[in-house]
Amino acid sequence: DAGITQSPRHKVTETGTPVTLRCHQTENHRYMYWYRQDPGHGLRLIHYSYGVKDTDKGEVSDGYSVSRSKTEDFLLTLESATSSQTSVYFCAIRSRGLNQPQHFGDGTRLSIL
Amino acid sequence: LAKTTQPISMDSYEGQEVNITCSHNNIATNDYITWYQQFPSQGPRFIIQGYKTKVTNEVASLFIPADRKSSTLSLPRVSLSDTAVYYCLVGILGANNLFFGTGTRLTVIP
Repeated sequence: DAGITQSPRHKVTETGTPVTLRCHQTENHRYMYWYRQDPGHGLRLIHYSYGVKDTDKGEVSDGYSVSRSKTEDFLLTLESATSSQTSVYFCAIRSRGLNQPQHFGDGTRLSIL
Repeated sequence: LAKTTQPISMDSYEGQEVNITCSHNNIATNDYITWYQQFPSQGPRFIIQGYKTKVTNEVASLFIPADRKSSTLSLPRVSLSDTAVYYCLVGILGANNLFFGTGTRLTVIP
C-alpha cells in the first residue's frame, strides 16, 4: 500500500543495544515521518523529514535520531535502546501540497528486553 | 492542535449504516477534519477529509455542521471487514504533527 516498506517488521533486542529501523518509499514523496504507537497514547510523532538531509523533531524525540541521505529512505536509530522504547513504529509519507494526507506503512514491532 | 473526543467503542450489525461522531470544540479557522481507519497489525489508512458541510467518496461520507465543533463519519452498510479503529483528527492541511488520540473501536457483528 502507498509504496512504503518498513524493515524489519519485527525485532527483539536487549537494553543498551543500538537499533536502526528503515522506511523505504517508492513514491518520491518529499515528506517522511516516524511515529510510535503505544496503548492509551495513540500515535505520537518522533521525527520527520521535509527533504534530503532536512529533519526536525516531533513530540517524543528524546532517545531517537534520524537520517535521510536520499529521498526514498528514512532511518530511525535508537542509539542505546531502553525498555520504554518497546513499541510499534510506523513510518508515513506525504507528497507536497496542502491537501495531501499522510500515508502509513504497516509498522515495525520492536521489543526491548 | 485541537483535541478531539470520540466514543471509545461501538458495535454494529452487518449491513447497517454506522455513524461515528467526533467532538472538536476548539477547532480553529484553518483546521480541517480527517478520518483514518486502522486494522490490527497495519498502519492507519486515510479515509476522508473535509472542511465544512458534506464530503463523500467511495468509502464514506463526512458530515460537518456549520459551527464545525463536531463531525460525523458515516459508513454505509458495514461489513465484517469494517471492524477497525477509526481516528478523527483535526489540524491544518499538510500539518506535520498529527494528533491521533485513542480512536473509536468499531466491531461489526454478523
